[in-house]
This record gives sequence, C-alpha cells and structure tokens, in this order.
Amino acid sequence: AQKVTQAQTEISVVEKEDVTLDCVYETRDTTYYLFWYKQPPSGELVFLIRRNSFDEQNEISGRYSWNFQKSTSSFNFTITASQVVDSAVYFCALSEFRVDFGNEKLTFGTGTRLTIIP
Amino acid sequence: DTEVTQTPKHLVMGMTNKKSLKCEQHMGHRAMYWYKQKAKKPPELMFVYSYEKLSINESVPSRFSPECPNSSLLNLHLHALQPEDSALYLCASSQGFDSYEQYFGPGTRLTVT
Repeated sequence: AQKVTQAQTEISVVEKEDVTLDCVYETRDTTYYLFWYKQPPSGELVFLIRRNSFDEQNEISGRYSWNFQKSTSSFNFTITASQVVDSAVYFCALSEFRVDFGNEKLTFGTGTRLTIIP
Repeated sequence: DTEVTQTPKHLVMGMTNKKSLKCEQHMGHRAMYWYKQKAKKPPELMFVYSYEKLSINESVPSRFSPECPNSSLLNLHLHALQPEDSALYLCASSQGFDSYEQYFGPGTRLTVT
C-alpha cells in the first residue's frame, strides 16, 4: 500500500526566513509521480509541481525549490525568503499507477500548515 | 486556462433535502474527480469519471450520486445526508492519463443540519 508522511504538522517562521517542508513516501511501484499542492484559507488546492520517479533532478521555480531523493524516498519542498502569502496548508501526494487507462488515484499526506509571521 | 468552477460556494441543507453540486471545466480534460475534505484532513477521493464513465467509486454511500452529463460537466447529487457529511467538496480534473496533475476547483462548503 502506498503511504505519504508529512511529519511536520505545523510550522511557523518569520517573514523572509527560508523554510523546508518534508515529505517521505512509500510505494512498491517503480513508476510513480509525486506532487505538491498548496491550499490557502480560501480552500482551493493549487497545483505546484509534478515529478516522475525517473527524474531526480532538483527543480527551482522562483522562490520555490524541490529536492527529490529516491534513495531516501523523500521529496522535500523549500520556500526561500518566505512571504505572508505563502501561509497555507501544503500537501505532498503520490500517484498510484493504474493499468486501466485514465484512472489516477492520489495518496495525500496529512499536510503541513505553514504560517508566515509578518 | 486551468480553471475549474464549482457552484454553489456554500450550501446548507436539511437531512431530508435533495440538492446538487456542480462542477465545470473547459480545459478538454478527460478525467474528473469528486473529493470530500473534512477540516484539518487531506482530501479523500470519492469518485472518478474517465471519458464520461464512472471508473472509480471509493465505496461512497448511495446518498451521494455522481453524474457526468458531458465531458465538461460533473454533478454530485445529494439526498438524505447526515450531519457528518458536512465538509468541503472539491472537484478536480486532469488530462486523464500518465499521471497528469489534477486541477482543483474552489470547492463547495456543505453544511448538513
């Protein structure tokens, strides 16, 4: 069975500090995808990134960066120079490979609530 | 355009009422999803439609009835709900294959009295 663990339930940092959100996953699949979503107080989940299991390159997008390490089954997310608008719940998710075409099931972690203090 | 719209934003209904939630996307996505999210919990998958056919039902009680009238629309019909069904109901869509990312709507916050 697949599992995603986000051990940090809540994190608070002062604005402009860097913060890293941890994500550890378990799967028996050799082909899988990992995702990060942001859920601000408004409720909508916002897609941030998708990474497949064969691509271990780290990625940077503006103040966001992701570190994928297959050896430790981790897919961590770092926000540099945090801003108040970064305050949200962040979910890491793992897709379950399905033989039947077009059916994707995401296993979500329990989420990390990030609060940026002005 | 990566927009998924949902109506209504808020809904209060009694346990004997019948209501429907609506979801729409115009991204040409072939898979659409309903999720239920309780406070401080991750979303829980309820249903998946792939090419307008129901492909996943996560053992959801029959008081929730999904419908996909066409490739752009997804409805969730509600009947005889219980107070514990109060939650945020999220709709999502994706291109439908190869683990493409899912795009979520803003959700409908449902309260059952």
